[in-house]
Amino acid sequence: SAVISQKPSRDICQRGTSLTIQCQVDSQVTMMFWYRQQPGQSLTLIATANQGSEATYESGFVIDKFPISRPNLTFSTLTVSNMSPEDSSIYLCSVELGAEQYFGPGTRLTVT
Amino acid sequence: QKEVEQNSGPLSVPEGAIASLNCTYSDRVSQSFFWYRQYSGKSPELIMSIYSNGDKEDGRFTAQLNKASQYVSLLIRDSQPSDSATYLCAVILETSGSRLTFGEGTQLTVNP
Repeated sequence: SAVISQKPSRDICQRGTSLTIQCQVDSQVTMMFWYRQQPGQSLTLIATANQGSEATYESGFVIDKFPISRPNLTFSTLTVSNMSPEDSSIYLCSVELGAEQYFGPGTRLTVT
Repeated sequence: QKEVEQNSGPLSVPEGAIASLNCTYSDRVSQSFFWYRQYSGKSPELIMSIYSNGDKEDGRFTAQLNKASQYVSLLIRDSQPSDSATYLCAVILETSGSRLTFGEGTQLTVNP
């Protein structure tokens, strides 16, 4: 597996502001993913981030709302823009190692 | 029909019993199947992966795959209170590249 860290671990933000979440992994990986887990629900994929190319977004998620950067093989950021209370959720990054995916500890976001 | 479905739960078993968690998937040609364990307030942890028909055992955990029936299960033998968690079935659908599609999860409680 890999050691994956996320910053911040949690935050409380005001409506209309933006938050950037960082994901760092201790080895070089090609594929990184960003997920959202709303309270009491399963995981929903937001986008796939490959180094050197634009992120690929899933249906219902757009770049203007969730811009992603992937500057190198060990790091990615997800920004949640113009936040509303509906964005309150846990945001998780994951990395692909071989055929398996491993998750970071998550960022718990509350929007007031 | 959902792409990945799990028995809705919650599931409650006594300590020492076998817990059986079930998952069906819609894509007949899917090749990769995973079970994640998620403790409350934590991120998902990969506990089993299975790619071939039959059983795969790892300690007290056994994953069973039947591609003809589009069915994957997880058996937990000698269940312990520490096994109490939500178990998520995840499938890489043939049309989705490396993207995981998750079931809704089954909450397991093991009673001392």
